[in-house]
Amino acid sequence: GEDVEQSLFLSVREGDSSVINCTYTDSSSTYLYWYKQEPGAGLQLLTYIFSNMDMKQDQRLTVLLNKKDKHLSLRIADTQTGDSAIYFCAEKNQGGKLIFGQGTELSVKP
Amino acid sequence: DSGVTQTPKHLITATGQRVTLRCSPRSGDLSVYWYQQSLDQGLQFLIQYYNGEERAKGNILERFSAQQFPDLHSELNLSSLELGDSALYFCASSVGRGGGNNSPLHFGNGTRLTVT
Repeated sequence: GEDVEQSLFLSVREGDSSVINCTYTDSSSTYLYWYKQEPGAGLQLLTYIFSNMDMKQDQRLTVLLNKKDKHLSLRIADTQTGDSAIYFCAEKNQGGKLIFGQGTELSVKP
Repeated sequence: DSGVTQTPKHLITATGQRVTLRCSPRSGDLSVYWYQQSLDQGLQFLIQYYNGEERAKGNILERFSAQQFPDLHSELNLSSLELGDSALYFCASSVGRGGGNNSPLHFGNGTRLTVT
């Protein structure tokens, strides 16, 4: 079946790097996404990676994909208090359906 | 701002009632998706429309229905409401119909439904 798993909570200090991890089960995934949800808001697309890539960097964000282990991570460099939010990983399968993980709540302490 | 507009922002209603949630997709997007977000179930895909036609169905209850109109806006109808239907309902839109291409979803800010 299709399943996406994330740890529920992560706490870091301002200025440190944050690494949010995600595992998925569907080996036919085409694209994998990271979304950010701030309180009272919708999901904001942060970045995505195509399944035949292993890394993508976008300013402070680095996405790493290990397709063999079906493991995806999002690294946020120099984490700021404004980065505090819930981060969702999502995979798109061959049929185009987007499956979301349960979200990781990132708390950034000053 | 994602460009996806949802109304109303908040809705409080009683059990047994019926409500309609409305979504306007981003300009140029042909697909509309509805998701339900609750504390215990996370983000659950309900249904997708592409250019007026139903494209994919997820965990949508029979008491719920949706449609996409010729101007591409969409409505999600929830009837015979139960306490457990209280949740955030998100609409998202994308350019493509889904499938293997990269057509990311852009989400609205959601409608918070409270059933009392």
